[in-house]
Amino acid sequence: DQQVKQNSPSLSVQEGRISILNCDYTNSMFDYFLWYKKYPAEGPTFLISISSIKDKNEDGRFTVFLNKSAKHLSLHIVPSQPGDSAVYFCAARREGSWGKLQFGAGTQVVVTP
Amino acid sequence: GAGVSQTPSNKVTEKGKYVELRCDPISGHTALYWYRQSLGQGPEFLIYFQGTGAADDSGLPNDRFFAVRPEGSVSTLKIQRTERGDSAVYLCASSSPGRKNEQFFGPGTRLTVL
Repeated sequence: DQQVKQNSPSLSVQEGRISILNCDYTNSMFDYFLWYKKYPAEGPTFLISISSIKDKNEDGRFTVFLNKSAKHLSLHIVPSQPGDSAVYFCAARREGSWGKLQFGAGTQVVVTP
Repeated sequence: GAGVSQTPSNKVTEKGKYVELRCDPISGHTALYWYRQSLGQGPEFLIYFQGTGAADDSGLPNDRFFAVRPEGSVSTLKIQRTERGDSAVYLCASSSPGRKNEQFFGPGTRLTVL
């Protein structure tokens, strides 16, 4: 069963504006969450992560928010740039199983001029 | 420095054949992971190694799939009696002991079973 869900397959945003990507999960045993970015013909690249003991983590233009009660996390990219056009994957790791990431299906982001 | 490399980049085989996919992790990375990604889906966990031993192989779909890492560096994913449903991109990743939460992925091997 799909325990990590990204319900928006695509997102179009204007350059300079904010991109908000959403992710929902069902397993309350997940204790660590990550976002990866993927360009065509390349492997996913780590972007940012958050532990379940936090509700926010920021790194430059990227901020991840975690709402444990809602089992929801989001990635904010501001300002969006053309190079941000890629597929973004949300991933989660279960407590006690640090090597096994479970990924969502991804959201294709297109940043338009 | 060099990233994770995977060979071949593309592999086309016929149903029923045996294939081997190779992964060279980043030097010094002790953990190695295999995932596969089907079209329109996210990566799906297969197996991960800590050193030479498989720490978790719960994602291997059946006994046709097997992976080894005999010297704790290079790993080979082996698929016997391939089926059309095995067609996917097979991704390998590695992580360092000090930053095991960050998995660094290779470009993948695209496997097509005809």
